[in-house]
Parts: sequence; C-alpha cells; structure tokens
Amino acid sequence: GQNIDQPTEMTATEGAIVQINCTYQTSGFNGLFWYQQHAGEAPTFLSYNVLDGLEEKGRFSSFLSRSKGYSYLLLKELQMKDSASYLCAVDDGAGNMLTFGGGTRLMVKP
Amino acid sequence: EAQVTQNPRYLITVTGKKLTVTCSQNMNHEYMSWYRQDPGLGLRQIYYSMNVEVTDKGDVPEGYKVSRKEKRNFPLILESPSPNQTSLYFCASKEAGWTYEQYFGPGTRLTVT
Repeated sequence: GQNIDQPTEMTATEGAIVQINCTYQTSGFNGLFWYQQHAGEAPTFLSYNVLDGLEEKGRFSSFLSRSKGYSYLLLKELQMKDSASYLCAVDDGAGNMLTFGGGTRLMVKP
Repeated sequence: EAQVTQNPRYLITVTGKKLTVTCSQNMNHEYMSWYRQDPGLGLRQIYYSMNVEVTDKGDVPEGYKVSRKEKRNFPLILESPSPNQTSLYFCASKEAGWTYEQYFGPGTRLTVT
C-alpha cells in the first residue's frame, strides 16, 4: 500500500527557518510534490523533486532522498502569510495517481 | 486567465438526491482528476482522466461517477449521495506526463443530510 507521513502541526516564529519533513513508502516513485494550502482555499504548487538533492526556489527549498524515502520542505525568513498547510504528495505511477500525506499545518507567530 | 473552475462552490442536499459538480479548465490539459479532502485524511483521489473518453478509478471511487466527453470538462456525479460523502471536493488538471504539477479548482463544499 501507500503510506505518506508528515507531522500534523508545527509552530514557528516570524523571520525564522522551519523544516517540514515527509516520509513515504509507495509501490512506485515518479517524483514528490509539495503544495501549499491556505485555509479554505485550493492547494497551489510549490516544488517538485524526482532526483536526490536540494531544489531551491526563493525562500522555499525542497530536498529528496529516494533511498531513505524522505523529503523535507525548508521555509526561510518566515512571514505571517506562510501560515498554511503544506501537503507532501508522491506520484507513484506514470503521472496518473498522486497520493497525498495528511498535510502539516504551520502556524507562524509574531 | 488560466484556471480551473468548479460549480457549485457550496451545496447542501439530502440523501439520495442525484447531483452533479461541474469542473472546467481552459488550459487545454489532457489530464483531469477529482479529489475529496477530509480532516485527518488529507486529499484522496476519486477518479482521473487521461484524455477524452478515458477515465479510471482512484483510491476512493465508490459512490461516484465521472465522464469526459470534452477535453475541458470533467463532471463528478453522485447518483445517490449519502452523508459519508459530505466533504470538500477539488477538481484538478495538468499536462500529461509525470513531471507536471496539478492546478486545482477552488473547491466545492458538499453537505449531505
């Protein structure tokens, strides 16, 4: 079966750095996605990793280790608007099926 | 503006009354999908479609039907809704292939009483 685990909630301070972890066990692997979802809104794409290593995109970076079934999303210089849920998702087929973790709700405090 | 639209955004209905949630995208995407989102369970895939007239089951297809007669539209049909189908529903689309991100619609909050 498919299993994707993320912490349920995290709290961090404005201006700080936070790392959100995701571990996965899936029958196949064709890449890992991170999405951001503000309360009551649609998920929006943040990053995609298919090879091991770090992908950097402005204040957001995402890391993947395929051998360990592990990824993290790193948010730097946290802002209040970063308060949202962060969803880890694995494409375990040929681009047809996306399996999501339960999401990590991040609260940024002043 | 490139977007995925869903209608209605909010719906309260009664058990057994057939309903359809529409989904439309203007990006000429081959792939479309439906998800439901429930607290503690995350997003779960209901059905997806690789192209016109090609649909397949996701993880939780029971109680749902879909059709893909046109590339831009992918309606979700609940023939006989039940209270356990109360949820937040998202439609999504993307280009074919496994490297592309999905674009999500604004969501439809469905309550079945």
